[in-house]
Amino acid sequence: GENVEQHPSTLSVQEGDSAVIKCTYSDSASNYFPWYKQELGKGPQLIIDIRSNVGEKKDQRIAVTLNKTAKHFSLHITETQPEDSAVYFCAATLDYKLSFGAGTTVTVRA
Amino acid sequence: GAGVSQSPRYKVAKRGQDVALRCDPISGHVSLFWYQQALGQGPEFLTYFQNEAQLDKSGLPSDRFFAERPEGSVSTLKIQRTQQEDSAVYLCASSSNRGGSTDTQYFGPGTRLTVL
Repeated sequence: GENVEQHPSTLSVQEGDSAVIKCTYSDSASNYFPWYKQELGKGPQLIIDIRSNVGEKKDQRIAVTLNKTAKHFSLHITETQPEDSAVYFCAATLDYKLSFGAGTTVTVRA
Repeated sequence: GAGVSQSPRYKVAKRGQDVALRCDPISGHVSLFWYQQALGQGPEFLTYFQNEAQLDKSGLPSDRFFAERPEGSVSTLKIQRTQQEDSAVYLCASSSNRGGSTDTQYFGPGTRLTVL
């Protein structure tokens, strides 16, 4: 099955700086890559996703890039704000079964 | 509209007890998924329904785990004879289409199960 690795496990950034989280996947057939944000006591919330026919996607301060050859994808958050502090998960799938990374705890320092 | 809801939000069970966890998906969503999230880890797939049909139960860890969705809407995840290793957050997700690879899965808040 699909195996997703996510780095780093923790990330501390100064407010206003950028944050980058990287993921690799093992199954070259995977074609859908969502990113979820999970706050304490809540379920994961989709923040952005990308499909295999697209190399980059942006939504305001959030962007995701996909390199299918290298089988890795990254999340970029610019101009970080305190409300960006949360756990972020990447995931990959070729059908309906999402395989998640272990998560990155992002802390934005004021 | 309303999102995915789950109940109870917290459940404490003594080892050996049976528990039932409920999921109300977004109205009209055809696909429903259950995931298990251990502390400090990402969610792991348990099972998938399309309407009332359970199409994939490959992630259920043992035969003590059973899920149903009899009318194609509300789903229940049942765990029999709970063990300490069953302690986790159980997440339910739903999506609007037929489980295609690009369907967005919307998650509920989860049920935190603690087995003593």
